Amino acid sequence: GENVEQHPSTLSVQEGDSAVIKCTYSDSASNYFPWYKQELGKRPQLIIDIRSNVGEKKDQRIAVTLNKTAKHFSLHITETQPEDSAVYFCAASGAGGGADGLTFGKGTHLIIQP
Amino acid sequence: NAGVMQNPRHLVRRRGQEARLRCSPMKGHSHVYWYRQLPEEGLKFMVYLQKENIIDESGMPKERFSAEFPKEGPSILRIQQVVRGDSAAYFCASSGLAGVNEQFFGPGTRLTVL
Repeated sequence: GENVEQHPSTLSVQEGDSAVIKCTYSDSASNYFPWYKQELGKRPQLIIDIRSNVGEKKDQRIAVTLNKTAKHFSLHITETQPEDSAVYFCAASGAGGGADGLTFGKGTHLIIQP
Repeated sequence: NAGVMQNPRHLVRRRGQEARLRCSPMKGHSHVYWYRQLPEEGLKFMVYLQKENIIDESGMPKERFSAEFPKEGPSILRIQQVVRGDSAAYFCASSGLAGVNEQFFGPGTRLTVL
């Protein structure tokens, strides 16, 4: 089955700087890669996603890049703000050929230092 | 448009009792997924259901756990004879179209086994 590795486990950046979180996946048949943000005690919230027919996607301060050959994808957050502090999870799915379950990374705790 | 609903939000059970967790998908969504999240860890896929059908239960323990999504009413995750190791947050997610993977999460049920 699919395996998703996520790094780093903790990331501390100064407010206003950029943050980058990286993930690798094992199953070349996976074709959908979402990113979720989870605040303490809350539900995971979808913040951006990318499909395997696209190399990059951007939404305001958030961007995701995908390298299918190397089987890795990254989340980039620019001009970080205190409200960006949370745990971020990458995930992969689609290897089963349909709308199957997501395989998650272990998460990155992003800390924005004022 | 109401989001994914889960109840109860908190559930306390003694070892050996049964736990029933309910999930109502977003309006118009017919695909339901259950995930388990242990403290300080990522989410683990358990089961994927459509109305009256279990599509993929590869992540669900073979014993004591069962799930259903009847024609009418919410999806239910049942855990029989709970043990301390079942203590976790259980999230459900829903999606709308076959082959489209965007999943939106409910607020979760936090199960504590005494």
